[in-house]
Amino acid sequence: NAGVTQTPKFQVLKTGQSMTLQCAQDMNHNSMYWYRQDPGMGLRLIYYSASEGTTDKGEVPNGYNVSRLNKREFSLRLESAAPSQTSVYFCASRSTNRRLNTEAFFGQGTRLTVV
Amino acid sequence: AQKVTQAQTEISVVEKEDVTLDCVYETRDTTYYLFWYKQPPSGELVFLIRRNSFDEQNEISGRYSWNFQKSTSSFNFTITASQVVDSAVYFCALSEGNNDMRFGAGTRLTVKP
Repeated sequence: NAGVTQTPKFQVLKTGQSMTLQCAQDMNHNSMYWYRQDPGMGLRLIYYSASEGTTDKGEVPNGYNVSRLNKREFSLRLESAAPSQTSVYFCASRSTNRRLNTEAFFGQGTRLTVV
Repeated sequence: AQKVTQAQTEISVVEKEDVTLDCVYETRDTTYYLFWYKQPPSGELVFLIRRNSFDEQNEISGRYSWNFQKSTSSFNFTITASQVVDSAVYFCALSEGNNDMRFGAGTRLTVKP
């Protein structure tokens, strides 16, 4: 059981570079999430997707774009990385349909440094 | 939008003491879900409990217990007879009906031997 898989685990970018963080889940969950974690600020929601084909902004969406490629995959793209985007990024998924509403299952995180 | 407040940034206790972590939430929805997660020093997020807005029963699981009170919009977490292995950052989270899921800033618990 892979659960939620994030790639890469570590990444260093130069200011202005772009990259995509990948996330895939194998639990047939409808909802997926991207969070960033900074010291003292907890987990802040960047974007979420309640179902395939839909995405919504969270608390801190500026500087990011997302794609819900299919039910399994939800990617996060930084078009022009900035030092302020240095953070640990977590992807999560959960079932939120009427019959089954679960907790969120998290990936292992991606530690991103922008220099 | 919903909001979760964990006013205690850091707590330090001595092993075997009881400790309560506070969580206060704000929401306009009548249907919502509350969660607690633990993040040990290794960094992964470990699920502890889920509670929906229609179920105000308190829950006990071993040394852990949770007190959900809609009247005060609180969902507090108590560890009885704390142990060094309980040292971690603990997060409270709230999900409303639109599936948006927000976390509090977390409480760092240090249990000293």
